[in-house]
Amino acid sequence: QKEVEQDPGPLSVPEGAIVSLNCTYSNSAFQYFMWYRQYSRKGPELLMYTYSSGNKEDGRFTAQVDKSSKYISLFIRDSQPSDSATYLCAMSDGSRGGGADGLTFGKGTHLIIQP
Amino acid sequence: GAVVSQHPSWVICKSGTSVKIECRSLDFQATTMFWYRQFPKQSLMLMATSNEGSKATYEQGVEKDKFLINHASLTLSTLTVTSAHPEDSSFYICSARGYGDTQYFGPGTRLTVL
Repeated sequence: QKEVEQDPGPLSVPEGAIVSLNCTYSNSAFQYFMWYRQYSRKGPELLMYTYSSGNKEDGRFTAQVDKSSKYISLFIRDSQPSDSATYLCAMSDGSRGGGADGLTFGKGTHLIIQP
Repeated sequence: GAVVSQHPSWVICKSGTSVKIECRSLDFQATTMFWYRQFPKQSLMLMATSNEGSKATYEQGVEKDKFLINHASLTLSTLTVTSAHPEDSSFYICSARGYGDTQYFGPGTRLTVL
């Protein structure tokens, strides 16, 4: 079993829809959770960063962490064609400093927003 | 702010040669940098953690003699792939520990070994 599972997609939704992206993980020591957006042949760009369980909202993006279920989600409201990209979840146990640890990534979900 | 650059963005080399990839933090100092590798349709895999002025820490299964890492200054880390072979062809991405607890990623270097 991989440490972090993420459905690679592709996930195709119409413009304006609410998008739900998810990851599950097996390592209960993970405490720091991140979502990155990656465009083709580019480096990942940090979208959301959360610690432990709970919700965090930033504009059209909401990140949820449920440590009891080892499940994290990213919601995108009012999706736009420019949101089309690969979304990577990442996490760390914080043993060397929170999000500054080397991260464990999911495979990424390829998201397509249809105009 | 918090920009990380990589050079070159892509490189093609012959089997058996060595390739050096540079990672620079342009507008901040990074005591810690990380090197990842990403194969097609696979997740980013951490290769090593690079700390300024000290030896890099390699993840299990990564050959430290093959992937030489030097972090000589607070803004520059280099990854040298020695005696590269076709199976080393991949997308290599660095990141730098920035303000607070976050990592900022470079744009990546695509290595193709013929």
